[in-house]
Amino acid sequence: DAGITQSPRHKVTETGTPVTLRCHQTENHRYMYWYRQDPGHGLRLIHYSYGVKDTDKGEVSDGYSVSRSKTEDFLLTLESATSSQTSVYFCAIGGGREKLFFGSGTQLSVL
Amino acid sequence: AQKVTQAQTEISVVEKEDVTLDCVYETRDTTYYLFWYKQPPSGELVFLIRRNSFDEQNEISGRYSWNFQKSTSSFNFTITASQVVDSAVYFCALSQWVTGGGNKLTFGTGTQLKVEL
Repeated sequence: DAGITQSPRHKVTETGTPVTLRCHQTENHRYMYWYRQDPGHGLRLIHYSYGVKDTDKGEVSDGYSVSRSKTEDFLLTLESATSSQTSVYFCAIGGGREKLFFGSGTQLSVL
Repeated sequence: AQKVTQAQTEISVVEKEDVTLDCVYETRDTTYYLFWYKQPPSGELVFLIRRNSFDEQNEISGRYSWNFQKSTSSFNFTITASQVVDSAVYFCALSQWVTGGGNKLTFGTGTQLKVEL
């Protein structure tokens, strides 16, 4: 299995608070991604990174920011969480000419 | 715009039956990848297969087989002699090249497969 660790695995927070999710990889892979999974929508890309400090937006990036200061870590931040951001968040690594592998997911509930 | 359609929301079969999960995609790219992932009740996403758009050969892996037909933009997945452990949500996905050479995946909405004894 690909070495991807997401933390925390579960989080409950209140509307308006900042939240940061962490994705850590041990594969030294260049590409990292954040997706969210919602019923009826499958998975949708939030942001991705193609190198340290190189990031770009996906299709549902509003309300989210990311940072990648090291190859192994990709952080997803909700500056001011809203109930619509209640979701399961998946980090992925790979792509390009390689397979894409996903982490175990983070269940986020915004009350 | 890219799109993946999995028209079957839920399928129920009896163990040992064969079942085919449909996937139809839309893209303007000439080079792309197609994927299938399995999401069991535990929630993780398990990679099953990646197919290059230039490779239309069907693939078989144990009880799993995939039929890629570029002419109909379909990438269907068949499980032969289904088992209870196959019960899961299955996602089809289509890749698009993004800045820096990575792949952005567009997912279908998934098909829930229930295999009963």
